[in-house]
Amino acid sequence: KAGVTQTPRYLIKTRGQQVTLSCSPISGHRSVSWYQQTPGQGLQFLFEYFSETQRNKGNFPGRFSGRQFSNSRSEMNVSTLELGDSALYLCASSPGGGYEKLFFGSGTQLSVL
Amino acid sequence: LAKTTQPISMDSYEGQEVNITCSHNNIATNDYITWYQQFPSQGPRFIIQGYKTKVTNEVASLFIPADRKSSTLSLPRVSLSDTAVYYCLVVTTNTDKLIFGTGTRLQVFP
Repeated sequence: KAGVTQTPRYLIKTRGQQVTLSCSPISGHRSVSWYQQTPGQGLQFLFEYFSETQRNKGNFPGRFSGRQFSNSRSEMNVSTLELGDSALYLCASSPGGGYEKLFFGSGTQLSVL
Repeated sequence: LAKTTQPISMDSYEGQEVNITCSHNNIATNDYITWYQQFPSQGPRFIIQGYKTKVTNEVASLFIPADRKSSTLSLPRVSLSDTAVYYCLVVTTNTDKLIFGTGTRLQVFP
């Protein structure tokens, strides 16, 4: 089985722009969750989608949003980028509704200049 | 809400057993603990998950004492390829919050 695929691998944007990141989960997995990883704050949960519905949300501003399609693929959008949004954005998939075992992609490294 | 802390770094030699502890003082009754391994330029990889007492799989063991305020990941006979950052994750089942530990950088020397 193919693993979790995230595109693009690297991205450079400027302040004020918006960005969309993509995640393709493992085939058959219906849950996709997103995480932000920075040297200062570590790993932080953004949100989770299950069957096209946002089921859980972390403590991030509304500039961070996402969606899930009927084939379980997910996108994450960040609007009005700030320098502090520079981070590795990871997505993870799991077969069902819990977080017992997450399968992570390699992430998208976003740099905001 | 559970808050998790881990040692920043640990050093070991090949063939030794390594124990990495995660403190989660405010863990609630139904919260569970998971450990992940992360190599540079990769996403975390699942190692083991547990709720109480001891869990063992083919790569590691997880020890959780009765008060559940901490958990210890045990890696038997580490090799150079175990050099990585290890994260604990506490999932609070009543509020569905995910709290990652700060990560422990393990360096294995030959």
